[in-house]
This record gives sequence, structure tokens and C-alpha cells, in this order.
Amino acid sequence: DAKTTQPPSMDCAEGRAANLPCNHSTISGNEYVYWYRQIHSQGPQYIIHGLKNNETNEMASLIITEDRKSSTLILPHATLRDTAVYYCIVRVANNFNKFYFGSGTKLNVKP
Amino acid sequence: GAVVSQHPSRVICKSGTSVKIECRSLDFQATTMFWYRQFPKQSLMLMATSNEGSKATYEQGVEKDKFLINHASLTLSTLTVTSAHPEDSSFYICSASPGSSNQPQHFGDGTRLSIL
Repeated sequence: DAKTTQPPSMDCAEGRAANLPCNHSTISGNEYVYWYRQIHSQGPQYIIHGLKNNETNEMASLIITEDRKSSTLILPHATLRDTAVYYCIVRVANNFNKFYFGSGTKLNVKP
Repeated sequence: GAVVSQHPSRVICKSGTSVKIECRSLDFQATTMFWYRQFPKQSLMLMATSNEGSKATYEQGVEKDKFLINHASLTLSTLTVTSAHPEDSSFYICSASPGSSNQPQHFGDGTRLSIL
């Protein structure tokens, strides 16, 4: 049901940029890409979302390729508190706004 | 920002007990809320869509008589795990979104259910 694939894990040094990739090759023209993260034993936290333009907010940047088949979440200066599982989600159009989660990427930020 | 609150955060009870979990949207109205279940080291699995004023819709393989959902107001949905057994032990999470269909969903902090 999930329309995304992500690497299972990534490491990043503290203070460096973390670039998390997501593949969504079957995305349709009106489907948005959403990014969330989940820290152990908490509910997912919203990070950012976009349709086709690159987006930036206080937490992260989202880069979407021109063909929209993949995207990258960028945390510009990772801290130890950014260690979490990051989920990339494509909300299926005309399906009552449901979210289907894939496996996500476990980001390990190391000192 | 939009806030979704879940209660209780943790429940421990005996096998055969029914357990009710509440999900509230604190600063917006939500005609639709969603319930998920998450087992250890796994991703979130969508269980059902809770619709205000009408019946919930369940994902394939989820027993509607086991997981009763009520969405009586625009700010409250409840999930009742009926006659809970140890295999129902899990992390249950709800979500809701304000406004248009492109708005992000906001998640509660989850309920850890342990059945002894």
C-alpha cells in the first residue's frame, strides 16, 4: 500500500547535513509527498510536505526531482536529537486522505 | 500548530477486559480521524478511518467487532479494543488533519496497551 521506498538506515555526523532519500516512482500528478519522523515511543512528528516545488521550513528542506519520482529530505545541521525513524509518505489521491507508512529510514546521528 | 491529544498514554489490564482510547483534536475540527497500530520495531499500520457522524471504515484484515470506533463529535474519536487478549498488546496511535485534503495529518503521542 505504501508508495515509497527508503533505505533502512543511515548514519550522519553531528553538525553535518543529513540527506535522506525517498523513491516514489509511481506518484501521480496531484499527490503530495510528506515527511515525518518518529522518536521512540512517541507519535510521528510532521516535518514538511510538497507537491513539486522545493520547500523549506525551520526544520528541514525538501527537494523533489523534476519528474517527481524521488525526493530528498535535508536536515542542514543534524544534532543528536535528530536521531529518529524518518518516514516519507505519498498520500494517495482520492482515497480519503489516508496515509500508508513504509518502513522508513533510521537516522543515527553520531557525535 | 494543530494539536492532537490521546488518552490514556499507557494502559495495563487483564485479558478479557475492554479498553477505550480517546483521540481529541484540541484546536481544530476534524471530520475524519485515523487509527494506527504499531508493533515493536515495525512501521505504523493503518487500522481504520473514523468518520464523524457515520460508520468507520476498516482496512483489510482489521476486525470491526474487535476494534470499535466512535466519532461522535468533530473533536473526538474513540477506539475500544473489546475483550482484549495479549496479542492485542501494541502501540495505538491516532491522527487528524484540519482543513483541506492537502494539509498534513497531526498525530497523537500514542497509547501503549499491555494485556496481561
